[in-house]
Amino acid sequence: GAGVSQSPSNKVTEKGKDVELRCDPISGHTALYWYRQSLGQGLEFLIYFQGNSAPDKSGLPSDRFSAERTGGSVSTLTIQRTQQEDSAVYLCASSLRILNTEAFFGQGTRLTVV
Amino acid sequence: EDQVTQSPEALRLQEGESSSLNCSYTVSGLRGLFWYRQDPGKGPEFLFTLYSAGEEKEKERLKATLTKKESFLHITAPKPEDSATYLCAVDVTGGSYIPTFGRGTSLIVHP
Repeated sequence: GAGVSQSPSNKVTEKGKDVELRCDPISGHTALYWYRQSLGQGLEFLIYFQGNSAPDKSGLPSDRFSAERTGGSVSTLTIQRTQQEDSAVYLCASSLRILNTEAFFGQGTRLTVV
Repeated sequence: EDQVTQSPEALRLQEGESSSLNCSYTVSGLRGLFWYRQDPGKGPEFLFTLYSAGEEKEKERLKATLTKKESFLHITAPKPEDSATYLCAVDVTGGSYIPTFGRGTSLIVHP
């Protein structure tokens, strides 16, 4: 596709349920990032995938959060047993891995835990 | 600890009133500094990358500059459509190419 695609755009879930957020990066981009953005806060790094290397999970806030990237393309962020504090916009970005090139972001998934 | 601080948090301008946004950083070594624009309900949109002190880049009414401690985003004769949140991010040497973002400056340009 022309840009980074995320789905769903909005997700409302009950506390305690599991959710899956999907990111389809720009074709050919080897780096993929997940960030979280809460109201009035900056972008909080969650996890980073680069090619076939082991992902950098240093930003995941708890073991309820996990992510995978299949075939070096589509990525899924899973949040288990959701809590109200998980409510935020989850942003995915991808970039070419030639030096430190710019990242292109999707429109985000707005997650609301009720 | 690497830090990125943006100021002011919010800025209101009249159309045509030029101003500057600041991004100051404290990092062990800078590999690159990025500016993004974010409109409500959308993901950040890339504007510029700066790599070394003294570098400048321009795009329409926007001009980004970089020193060893901070970057400025100058907005000349802004228009209402320039209203957005402007985000700054840094990529640090020795790190794993994960940009660290500031909290952003919310800009409103009144007609």
